[in-house]
Amino acid sequence: KQEVTQIPAALSVPEGENLVLNCSFTDSAIYNLQWFRQDPGKGLTSLLLIQSSQREQTSGRLNASLDKSSGRSTLYIAASQPGDSATYLCAVLIYNQGGKLIFGQGTELSVKP
Amino acid sequence: NAGVTQTPKFQVLKTGQSMTLQCAQDMNHNSMYWYRQDPGMGLRLIYYSASEGTTDKGEVPNGYNVSRLNKREFSLRLESAAPSQTSVYFCASTSLGTGRETQYFGPGTRLLVL
Repeated sequence: KQEVTQIPAALSVPEGENLVLNCSFTDSAIYNLQWFRQDPGKGLTSLLLIQSSQREQTSGRLNASLDKSSGRSTLYIAASQPGDSATYLCAVLIYNQGGKLIFGQGTELSVKP
Repeated sequence: NAGVTQTPKFQVLKTGQSMTLQCAQDMNHNSMYWYRQDPGMGLRLIYYSASEGTTDKGEVPNGYNVSRLNKREFSLRLESAAPSQTSVYFCASTSLGTGRETQYFGPGTRLLVL
């Protein structure tokens, strides 16, 4: 059974710091891995999608990497800002099960001014 | 485009009452999903519809039913609500088979069952 784990559960950093969020999964038979952002009381916003054949994706200050063989992904946030404060969720997509996502429990990030 | 819309935004029910959560997407996606989000449990899949006319159980289907009304709409029904169904419910959609299966989420329905 696929399980997704995110470490740490919560993180507090001063503004300007570079940071790394970690995601691990137990079964390497994934179709893709997605990182989402969730603000309090809101829905999920897609940040980055990495196909299983890819190693990394970048969008602005965000860079996500994928190492399928070791079952790990990282989300790197450069020069963090208070507006980055949110919960970050990673999820793996299982294609042959209707494209469902298996989620980690998220990392709650707080960036202090 | 409105993306994925959900109604209602918030609902309070008494134990045993029934209700239907509505979801619609205007992105011409073929696949739709219902998740629930609970503190400490993360997001868990309730039901999904990989294509119009099909529905399948997810991880936590007990106490729920779904209807894929057409390609745009996917509803979730609670026939007899229980306090354990107090949660935030999210609908999502995507297009499988395109190579870019990003899931797009609605804003959520917050349900309180007393």
